[in-house]
Amino acid sequence: EAGVAQSPRYKIIEKRQSVAFWCNPISGHATLYWYQQILGQGPKLLIQFQNNGVVDDSQLPKDRFSAERLKGVDSTLKIQPAKLEDSAVYLCASSSLRYPGLAGGAGSQYFGPGTRLLVL
Amino acid sequence: DAKTTQPPSMDCAEGRAANLPCNHSTISGNEYVYWYRQIHSQGPQYIIHGLKNNETNEMASLIITEDRKSSTLILPHATLRDTAVYYCIACPVGRQLTFGSGTQLTVLP
Repeated sequence: EAGVAQSPRYKIIEKRQSVAFWCNPISGHATLYWYQQILGQGPKLLIQFQNNGVVDDSQLPKDRFSAERLKGVDSTLKIQPAKLEDSAVYLCASSSLRYPGLAGGAGSQYFGPGTRLLVL
Repeated sequence: DAKTTQPPSMDCAEGRAANLPCNHSTISGNEYVYWYRQIHSQGPQYIIHGLKNNETNEMASLIITEDRKSSTLILPHATLRDTAVYYCIACPVGRQLTFGSGTQLTVLP
């Protein structure tokens, strides 16, 4: 079974530039997540999709971050314009269930390798 | 969601059991305990989860105390490839995972 794919793996940009990340989840997984992981911290959820609809984007800085999941499969996360504090690893994850606790807690998330962003 | 407390770092000798503790004293009855790990430069990986009973799979064992206020993840025979950050998460049904800072486990040769 193919895992979660992300690209690019690394990106270096200057502040105020734009950047986009791409994610292809595990086939058949309806739930897709984007996380931000700053160095030394655990991943922080930015947005959750269920098929092509947004379930939770409460922690997404909407003035500069946007995400979409057209057709309910692939997803893109965009930052425009980037700030220095956006330097982080951006992780995509997918799951077969909407919440981990459903189905006896079996809805574990599968993570991609992440995109490491450096904003100069 | 219940807050979890983990030691920031631990060492373990290769081939020995690694016992990673987690305190979740405010856990509620519908919160599962999840363990994930993150090897350097990779995304987190699911290990195991439990509600009340002890659980075991091919990767690890999870021991949850009877009062559910703490748990221990056991890697029975640690290898160098088990060096990673281990996250303990208490998550209620209908909510998403919230990752803390975890425990950096270093397996020493």
